[in-house]
Amino acid sequence: GDSVTQMEGPVTLSEEAFLTINCTYTATGYPSLFWYVQYPGEGLQLLLKATKADDKGSNKGFEATYRKETTSFHLEKGSVQVSDSAVYFCALSVGQAGTALIFGKGTTLSVSS
Amino acid sequence: DVKVTQSSRYLVKRTGEKVFLECVQDMDHENMFWYRQDPGLGLRLIYFSYDVKMKEKGDIPEGYSVSREKKERFSLILESASTNQTSMYLCASRDKTGYSNQPQHFGDGTRLSIL
Repeated sequence: GDSVTQMEGPVTLSEEAFLTINCTYTATGYPSLFWYVQYPGEGLQLLLKATKADDKGSNKGFEATYRKETTSFHLEKGSVQVSDSAVYFCALSVGQAGTALIFGKGTTLSVSS
Repeated sequence: DVKVTQSSRYLVKRTGEKVFLECVQDMDHENMFWYRQDPGLGLRLIYFSYDVKMKEKGDIPEGYSVSREKKERFSLILESASTNQTSMYLCASRDKTGYSNQPQHFGDGTRLSIL
């Protein structure tokens, strides 16, 4: 079945470091791909999305490129801030009416000053 | 902006109680979802609803039921609460236009403890 695998955390970085969180997927159709972020004590917020191969989603300095050949959607940011500390979820959605998202297990990012 | 509101942020109940979790969205979305979030397991789908009075089981429906009598409201019901249902519960909604291309919009979650 369809699935998402993302790197396990926690990821601990210093402020201004480069961030990569790996995400790969398995899907039978042509999925749309999403990154969500969850700040402490809050629900999930959409960070960015890409709906077809080679699309690049970007928001708040974060970027991810939909790579069909490697079935990947890695999240990157050039210079992280303390305020980026959160849990990041990669997710996919395929086709059909009412289809729910399939999530990875989440990666906790902790940024220190 | 889409607003998804869950009725309680924190809830404590006792085993055997019937528990209602309420979710309301203000964007006239057709699709609504209930997930539970547990450490190390990520988010798992409990139930979803295509539209009013329509519902479909997700991956872990056992011990739960849902109600969608009005478009804006989607209720999750724990028929007889058990300690293994202690978890964070997240509600989401989505516009059906374009289906999988549309993001889901989440509430802030309800942290439910069953004692």
